[in-house]
Order: sequence, then structure tokens, then C-alpha cells
Amino acid sequence: KQEVTQIPAALSVPEGENLVLNCSFTDSAIYNLQWFRQDPGKGLTSLLLIQSSQREQTSGRLNASLDKSSGRSTLYIAASQPGDSATYLCAVRTGGFKTIFGAGTRLFVKA
Amino acid sequence: KAGVTQTPRYLIKTRGQQVTLSCSPISGHRSVSWYQQTPGQGLQFLFEYFSETQRNKGNFPGRFSGRQFSNSRSEMNVSTLELGDSALYLCASSWQTDTYEQYFGPGTRLTVT
Repeated sequence: KQEVTQIPAALSVPEGENLVLNCSFTDSAIYNLQWFRQDPGKGLTSLLLIQSSQREQTSGRLNASLDKSSGRSTLYIAASQPGDSATYLCAVRTGGFKTIFGAGTRLFVKA
Repeated sequence: KAGVTQTPRYLIKTRGQQVTLSCSPISGHRSVSWYQQTPGQGLQFLFEYFSETQRNKGNFPGRFSGRQFSNSRSEMNVSTLELGDSALYLCASSWQTDTYEQYFGPGTRLTVT
């Protein structure tokens, strides 16, 4: 049974700091991994999608990596800003037409 | 291109009632998935539809059901509502399935009193 874990559960950093969010999964048989951000009470915004055959994806200040063999993904945020404050969720797409989410990392960037 | 839309955005129901939520996917998307989000359980998969066929269902009681129409719009229904059904219900669409990016709607906030 696929399980997705995100560490840390919460993170507070000063503005301008580079940071890394972690996501681990127990079964390497995945189609892809997707990172989302969620603002309080809102829906999810897609940040990056990494296919199982890819190692990383970049978008602006965001870089996501995937190591399927070790069951890990990281989301790197460069030069963090207060507007980056949100909950970040990773989700793995597994066989059987199912998506499993981690519990998320709540990020607070202090001005 | 318009995003995923969900109606209604907010809903208050009483225990024992039933409710129907609606999701309109991005134009051209054929796959629709539903999720329940609560503070205690996080985001949990409810079911996924592709071309009007349910592809998979999560670990929820039979009170939770759904369907997809020929225009890819989807509805989910919860019968005999319980207090524990209070949650944010999120819908996501993708062009097809498995390898494609999922796009989420704003959600429907259901409160059961």
C-alpha cells in the first residue's frame, strides 16, 4: 500500500532564505509526482509535475527533483518571499487510477 | 481557458439529508477525480471517472457516490449525511489519466449540523 510522507510538517523561515521541502513514498511504482500549494480554505494550485522517467523539473524559483529508487522527492524554493507562505503538498500517481497525497508542509515566510 | 469550476462553493446541511456537488472540468479534459479534505485526515481520494466510467473508488462508505456525464461534467452525491462528512470537497480534472497533470477547482465547503 502506497504511503506518502512529508517532512517537516511545518517550517518558518526568514524572507530570502532558500529552503527544501521533502516528500517520501513507499512504493516506487509510480506514474508521476506532482507538487501543489494550497492557501487557507482554497483549492490546490499545481506547481510542478515530474514524470517517473524524469529526474527534475524547474519553474521560476522552484525546482523539484525525483529519485524513484529511493522513494524521495524534494521541492527547492529559492529566495523565499512572504507570498510563498502556504501549505505545500506532494501527490503520487499510482497504478489503479489513484492519487495519494502527503499531509503537507505548512510554510511561513517572515518578512 | 476557464479552470475547473465547482458548485456550490458553500453548503450547510442537516444530518440525515443528502447533497449533490457538481464539478465542471477544464474544456477538453476527460478525467475527473474527487477528494475529501479534512483537518484530521488530510486529502483523501474518493473516486475517479474517465469517459463516464468510474475507474477507481477510495475507501469510503456506499453513501458516497458519483457519476460523470458525456460532456465530462461530474457530480458526487452523499446520502444520509453525518457530522463527520463536514469537509472541503475538491474536484480535479486532467486531459486523460495517469501521466497527465491534475488541475483542481476551488472546492465546495460542506458543513453538516
